[in-house]
Parts: sequence; C-alpha cells; structure tokens
Amino acid sequence: AQSVTQLDSHVSVSEGTPVLLRCNYSSSYSPSLFWYVQHPNKGLQLLLKYTSAATLVKGINGFEAEFKKSETSFHLTKPSAHMSDAAEYFCVVGNSWGKLQFGAGTQVVVTP
Amino acid sequence: EPEVTQTPSHQVTQMGQEVILRCVPISNHLYFYWYRQILGQKVEFLVSFYNNEISEKSEIFDDQFSVERPDGSNFTLKIRSTKLEDSAMYFCASSEPSRSGGADPQYFGPGTRLLVL
Repeated sequence: AQSVTQLDSHVSVSEGTPVLLRCNYSSSYSPSLFWYVQHPNKGLQLLLKYTSAATLVKGINGFEAEFKKSETSFHLTKPSAHMSDAAEYFCVVGNSWGKLQFGAGTQVVVTP
Repeated sequence: EPEVTQTPSHQVTQMGQEVILRCVPISNHLYFYWYRQILGQKVEFLVSFYNNEISEKSEIFDDQFSVERPDGSNFTLKIRSTKLEDSAMYFCASSEPSRSGGADPQYFGPGTRLLVL
C-alpha cells in the first residue's frame, strides 16, 4: 500500500521569499514520486518526478524537491516565489502499474 | 509540444442519462488513464488502460463505467446512468512505456467538468 500526506493545506508567502511545501510518503517498495501543479481552472501540470536516479530533483519554473528516504519525505522548494506560482500543488506517489495516488493538495498564496 | 486534449470542456446532463467523455492522448503514448476530482476533494484514480485492456481500476469504477479506445487516437469514458454524485472534473492522462522502471509521469488533459442535475 502507498499513500502521501501533504502537511499543509495552505501556504502563504511573500513574493521573492522561499517556498516550502511538505510531503511525506508511505510505500512498501521504492516509490515513484511526483509533484503536480494546478492553476485555477486549468489541468494538472507535471512539475518534477523522482524515480531513484538522484535524490535532488530539479523541475520546471525553478522548483526542486529532495527525496529523503530516512524521513520518508519529498518536500518541494523554490528559492524565490513569483506571483505566477499561486496555485494548488499536489504530491503524488505512483505504482508500477501506473496508478497515481494524490495528496490532498497545498494551496499556495503569493502576496506582493 | 504535444498535449492531451479532452472534449467537451463542460457537460451538463440529467440524472440517469448516459455521457461519453472523450480524450485524445499524446500520440506515441501507450498507457491511458482516467481520474476524477469532486469539488473540494482529492484527485482520485478511476482506471488505467493498456493494449486494449483495463490494467487496474478503483472501487469507484463500477459497472456504470466503461472505457474504450475506439480508434487509434481517441480514448473514451462512458458513464451509463449518471448519478448526482458523478458530478466532478474528469481528467484523462497518458504516459509512455517505462524506460527506467517505476511509474512513468502522466500527462494530463485540461479536464471535462461534468454536472449531473
């Protein structure tokens, strides 16, 4: 069985400050982990993926995530938030047959 | 850049009616999926499809649901007799065969918002 828990339902940051979105996972085998973003009234866009090649994964739009097996975490970060980063972010774990299990999502608000 | 497309973007139907949601996956992808997101809730897996067969389905995907790849480009989700609780955003996704093992990233369409009255 596998699952993800996003530790914050809402995060508010000022433009230009760092963003940290926390995710913990549970998996009985080596997980495939993803972060997706959903802008208002838009579809789900892949930000980045982890599939065991490297623990620090770089994604689009300046985001990166670090896989920490000892902490079962896959937190998403960005050094400097932009107004366009306001969206909902989903941490996702996948199995070998392609089933993706989504976290509850973290709503990010960016203030000027 | 290739993308997954879905039609219609919005669908309103009466309870008990049949609906067909359509998707055109990315052309070289071989795996296809449907997910749904009820307003205010998590994105939920419905079904995965490969080689003209269902690979995996969730408990949500009961006998009222079916999927089909009627030709080389379309992938459809049919709900035979809609219920009020089927109102949701339905997302189609597709992925390539895995090269590195594990789950492949899935590329999502913009969704079809279904409202059952």
